[in-house]
Amino acid sequence: ILNVEQSPQSLHVQEGDSTNFTCSFPSSNFYALHWYRWETAKSPEALFVMTLNGDEKKKGRISATLNTKEGYSYLYIKGSQPEDSATYLCASSNAGGTSYGKLTFGQGTILTVHP
Amino acid sequence: GAGVSQSPSNKVTEKGKDVELRCDPISGHTALYWYRQRLGQGLEFLIYFQGNSAPDKSGLPSDRFSAERTGESVSTLTIQRTQQEDSAVYLCASSVGRNQPQHFGDGTRLSIL
Repeated sequence: ILNVEQSPQSLHVQEGDSTNFTCSFPSSNFYALHWYRWETAKSPEALFVMTLNGDEKKKGRISATLNTKEGYSYLYIKGSQPEDSATYLCASSNAGGTSYGKLTFGQGTILTVHP
Repeated sequence: GAGVSQSPSNKVTEKGKDVELRCDPISGHTALYWYRQRLGQGLEFLIYFQGNSAPDKSGLPSDRFSAERTGESVSTLTIQRTQQEDSAVYLCASSVGRNQPQHFGDGTRLSIL
């Protein structure tokens, strides 16, 4: 994996469904994995920053896991609500050098939750 | 509290003109980033400032693009001799340090006629 890739590209679910999506990133020289939520007409909002293999983070109904050895992270939403509708972005950064603060973003997963 | 502020929110200009975009980061945030999103594409890194270190300019697409930041305050992104492919939403973000959650502004929507 040379770039950050997200799947699926878009997802439609019914209110109350639980859902998850995937972020794949380069595992070599990995430093951190970020998840952001970007609602229409708003600015991206940080959800999680994870650095350790096996790390799990939770914020309300949203949680994320991280596997740095194989280079993937999952984002889970339990009991989706219409207000969860947004584009979910992941981004990774590498260790070392002057660029280890630089994030490479995936294309995002567009989630639509239907009432 | 005050978030990241960007101005202008919208800018329409003719091809060939220079434009200057401004970003006011959250006070105390040492790291500042510029990104752009062109229509149908993902967020593209442009430049990153960290404190007084030399900026990472590796994402600037051409020498028509430049950015400055004085200390840990305001940053300006300048695009000279604009082209139609420069049309995009330009987003600024700041964070308390490297690899901390980034706080984004609302962006500047730039349209080149």
